[in-house]
Amino acid sequence: EIVMTQSPATLSVSPGERATLSCRASESVSINLAWYQQKPGLAPRLLIYGTSTRATGIPARFSGSGSGTEFTLTISSLQSEDFALYYCQQYNNWPRTFGPGTKLDL
Amino acid sequence: EVQLVESGGGLVQPGRSLRLSCAASGFTFDDYAMHWVRQAPGKGLEWVSGISWNSGSKGYADSVKGRFTISRDNAKNSLYLQMNSLRAEDTAFYYCAKDHAELEPPYCMDVWGKGTTVTVSS
Repeated sequence: EIVMTQSPATLSVSPGERATLSCRASESVSINLAWYQQKPGLAPRLLIYGTSTRATGIPARFSGSGSGTEFTLTISSLQSEDFALYYCQQYNNWPRTFGPGTKLDL
Repeated sequence: EVQLVESGGGLVQPGRSLRLSCAASGFTFDDYAMHWVRQAPGKGLEWVSGISWNSGSKGYADSVKGRFTISRDNAKNSLYLQMNSLRAEDTAFYYCAKDHAELEPPYCMDVWGKGTTVTVSS
């Protein structure tokens, strides 16, 4: 199976700053990569699919880039509601797999 | 409003079986692939299984292959997960999720249920 890794495990940032989260696949997943946000006690929310397409209702401050094995989620100007866990997920191969997550910390 | 409601979770002994259900509403169920995703207490997300809109394509995580079976009944707008030979490590919160793309294999999930808890313990 494709193993997804994310770095850093925790990213400490301040509101208004830019956050860059990384996701790496153990082999190429083309652009078949999604990002999710999860807050405590809630189900995950789809942010990005196809590496760079924002899901419905996702603000423009969230952007995704990359291809192959290296991907990035960028949050251009952090809002207080953005402090959460972020997961990447590949859907190029079976089984679909998630990364371990990056916690965005205040 | 798109809604997914899971049921069937509970406490079960190791080696026993459990069947999860997910009732879907607010969208054309038979146009979308569906997924099960789980999250052990304090841990990250683990994709468990996915099924295409017409049940023609199914996939499983290595950790559940041969023990879990995903199915759907489009006439009932329902998704199922039959879990056999349960282990302590299957203890988790199980989410039902809708795929984001119409008439495609299971890719990624744009709508999630609130989940149901499965605890495997003697």
